[in-house]
Order: sequence, then C-alpha cells, then structure tokens
Amino acid sequence: AQSVTQLGSHVSVSEGALVLLRCNYSSSVPPYLFWYVQYPNQGLQLLLKYTSAATLVKGINGFEAEFKKSETSFHLTKPSAHMSDAAEYFCAVSAYDSGYALNFGKGTSLLVTP
Amino acid sequence: DADVTQTPRNRITKTGKRIMLECSQTKGHDRMYWYRQDPGLGLRLIYYSFDVKDINKGEISDGYSVSRQAQAKFSLSLESAIPNQTALYFCATSDEGETYNEQFFGPGTRLTVL
Repeated sequence: AQSVTQLGSHVSVSEGALVLLRCNYSSSVPPYLFWYVQYPNQGLQLLLKYTSAATLVKGINGFEAEFKKSETSFHLTKPSAHMSDAAEYFCAVSAYDSGYALNFGKGTSLLVTP
Repeated sequence: DADVTQTPRNRITKTGKRIMLECSQTKGHDRMYWYRQDPGLGLRLIYYSFDVKDINKGEISDGYSVSRQAQAKFSLSLESAIPNQTALYFCATSDEGETYNEQFFGPGTRLTVL
C-alpha cells in the first residue's frame, strides 16, 4: 500500500516569494507520484507527474518537483509566487499493487499575499 | 466536449433517500474510480473498476454501491443517504496505455444530505 503526507495544511507566502509545498510518500513498490491543484469551486487539475527518467519534474504554471528516493520526498516548488497560485494543492501516489488508485494527501492550502 | 462527465453537478437530498451519481467517459479507458473529497481530508477512494466484471472496494466503501453498466459508464449509489455523506464526489478514469497511469477527473458532483 502507498500513502502520502503533506506537511502543513496551510502555507502563506508573499507575492514574488518562493513557494515550497512538502510531500513525503511511503510505498513498498516503485511509486507513481503526482501533484494536483484545485482552484476554488473547481475540479482537479494535474500540475505534474513523476517519471522515472528524471528526478526533477517540470509542470505547468512554472511549478516543478524533485523526486528524492533517499528522503521519500516529492516537494513542489515555484520560484516566484503569483496571486493566481492561491489554491489547494494535493500530492498523490499510486502503484500497481493497489489498482493504480490514487492515495491523496490531505492537501495544502496556499495563500498568496500582496 | 469534456472527456469525463458527471451528473448531476449539484444535488440536495434528504436523509434516507436513495441517490445515484453518474459518470460517463469518452476516453475509451478501462479503469474507472470514484473518490470523495472532504475538507481537510483530501480525496479518498470509494470504489474502482477495471472493467465491467471487475469491481473493487476502496478505502471508504461502506454505505455506497456501484454499477459498471458499460465500459464508458460507472455509477455510484447511496442506498440510504445520511448527512455525513455530504461531500464533493469525483469520478476518474485511467488506462494501462496511459503514461504513468495518469488519471483523468470529471468536474465533480457536490452532494448535500439534509
């Protein structure tokens, strides 16, 4: 089975500052890792997904994440926050031994202040 | 047109009523999933199906049932709705052929049980 832990249910950054959202995973088999974003009153949008070919993954809207097996982490970063980045962010893990169903973290709400 | 559709988009019902949420997809995917989102809990898996004859319980299947009427349709039923089933429900699809088993989400159904 797999699981993820997102550290920090709420993160606040100033506009232009670095965004860092933390995700640690647990998996007994090679995992697939994803970050999703949910804007207010909207559905889920895929930001990026981990590929075994590269540990640094680039996604949409300037976000990227680095897979660190030794730390079992997949933290999401963006160099400079925009007001439009305010949303709920979910880290998720899946693997073949659980039907490729996604196990989500509890989410991190990102607030961007002027 | 959207690849994954959910009906209804919003529903208010009363305790004890039977209700069905429907999901349809045009992606030709074999795998379909139902998730439930609650504030502060992220998304949790209710049921998933690999094909019309293969249905599996997820983490929180109690109080729910599903039907896979065809490859393209996967319905979630609440036989006797209760207030703590008030949540946002998402359907998702995937396929062995999709890169990294990425899942594609519908827009969600907001269900309120009074």
